[in-house]
Amino acid sequence: GNSVTQMEGPVTLSEEAFLTINCTYTATGYPSLFWYVQYPGEGLQLLLKATKADDKGSNKGFEATYRKETTSFHLEKGSVQVSDSAVYFCALISGAQKLVFGQGTRLTINP
Amino acid sequence: DAGVIQSPRHEVTEMGQEVTLRCKPISGHNSLFWYRQTMMRGLELLIYFNNNVPIDDSGMPEDRFSAKMPNASFSTLKIQPSEPRDSAVYFCASSLVGGNNYGYTFGSGTRLTVV
Repeated sequence: GNSVTQMEGPVTLSEEAFLTINCTYTATGYPSLFWYVQYPGEGLQLLLKATKADDKGSNKGFEATYRKETTSFHLEKGSVQVSDSAVYFCALISGAQKLVFGQGTRLTINP
Repeated sequence: DAGVIQSPRHEVTEMGQEVTLRCKPISGHNSLFWYRQTMMRGLELLIYFNNNVPIDDSGMPEDRFSAKMPNASFSTLKIQPSEPRDSAVYFCASSLVGGNNYGYTFGSGTRLTVV
């Protein structure tokens, strides 16, 4: 079946540090890949997506590239801010099946 | 579009009482999902509907939980009787399945506390 594995948190960084959150997946067919973000007290929001191999999704300074050869979709940001503190979820969907989430990675940015 | 609308935002109830959570999906979306989020278990899919029909309810924890979708613009999740272990944040999400796989849009959630 389809599955998503994220690096375990929590992750704590200083402001302006470089961020990587690893995500790998197992899927049948040709999945679309997503990163969702959940700020404290809120629902999940779509951060970025990629629908085919080698696509790069980007939003708010975050980027992730769909790597079919390594079945990965790592999230990166060059310089994080305190306001980026949140829980980040990697997810995939394949065909008409339901969205499959990773377990989430809690990120805390210290000033 | 106002997005996915859930009500109430917060609910505090006594053990044994009936609780009803409500969700209005995005107009035009054909699938609706109910999730539960806790610190211990993370995000769990409870049930999802496609074109108002329940497709997979394997995540519903037990018979005390039931969900309905009487029309394309409304769904309810009911817990009867409620127990303290049901305390969690419940999210509703909607999607256009069969489109370009843009993922789900989530509501802001209902924080349920059963005392």
